[in-house]
Amino acid sequence: GAVVSQHPSWVICKSGTSVKIECRSLDFQATTMFWYRQFPKQSLMLMATSNEGSKATYEQGVEKDKFLINHASLTLSTLTVTSAHPEDSSFYICSARATGIGKETQYFGPGTRLLVL
Amino acid sequence: LAKTTQPISMDSYEGQEVNITCSHNNIATNDYITWYQQFPSQGPRFIIQGYKTKVTNEVASLFIPADRKSSTLSLPRVSLSDTAVYYCLVGERGYSTLTFGKGTMLLVSP
Repeated sequence: GAVVSQHPSWVICKSGTSVKIECRSLDFQATTMFWYRQFPKQSLMLMATSNEGSKATYEQGVEKDKFLINHASLTLSTLTVTSAHPEDSSFYICSARATGIGKETQYFGPGTRLLVL
Repeated sequence: LAKTTQPISMDSYEGQEVNITCSHNNIATNDYITWYQQFPSQGPRFIIQGYKTKVTNEVASLFIPADRKSSTLSLPRVSLSDTAVYYCLVGERGYSTLTFGKGTMLLVSP
C-alpha cells in the first residue's frame, strides 16, 4: 500500500531555533501533501496544503512566515518551524494524496513529535 | 465540507462486534465517506472508504443507507489492539481537504 514517512520522528529544540520536518511518499507520487498539527487529546487540525511546484495554501490562523512549506518534488514536502517557541510543541503529521492508482484518499505519515524548551 | 457527528466514546469487550455510527446530514453528491483509525502518537491509518450501500475489506465493513446521511463502521470481533480513536470524514474522493472531527474513542477491554 501507499507508505508515507516522516523524519525525524521526534525532536527537542531550544526556543528560537528552527526545525525542519520531512515528509516523503515512499512508493507513490504525490502532487499534493497536507500538514496537520495535533495537540494532546485533540483532533488533527489542518495547517496547510502543499502543492508540488507551487506555493502552499495555509489555513486561517496559520502563519505562513512561521511555518515554511516546500514541496520541491513529487515525493517530498518539508515543513520548517521557524523561531520555534514552547507553544509550537505539538505532534505534526503529514499526509499525501496519490496520483493515479490510490488517489482516492490521503495516506498519513507516522507523525513528528516536537518539543520546544 | 460536510460536518460529521460521532459518539465521543464507546466501550466493548474482546470478541464482540462494534458498530460506530457517523451522521453527515449535509453530505454532497460527490462526497465519499472515509474512516481512519488513530493510535496514540501515530498518524491516522486508512480503514475503509465508500459511497453507498456496503463496502467490506479485510478489517471492516462500511454500511451506508440509501439517503447517505449516515454511515456505520463495523469492526468484527474486536481485540485489545483495536483500542483507538476512529474518525469519520466526508469529502470528494481524494480531491478535497479533510476536516477531522473529534472522533470516537473505542476502548476494548478483556
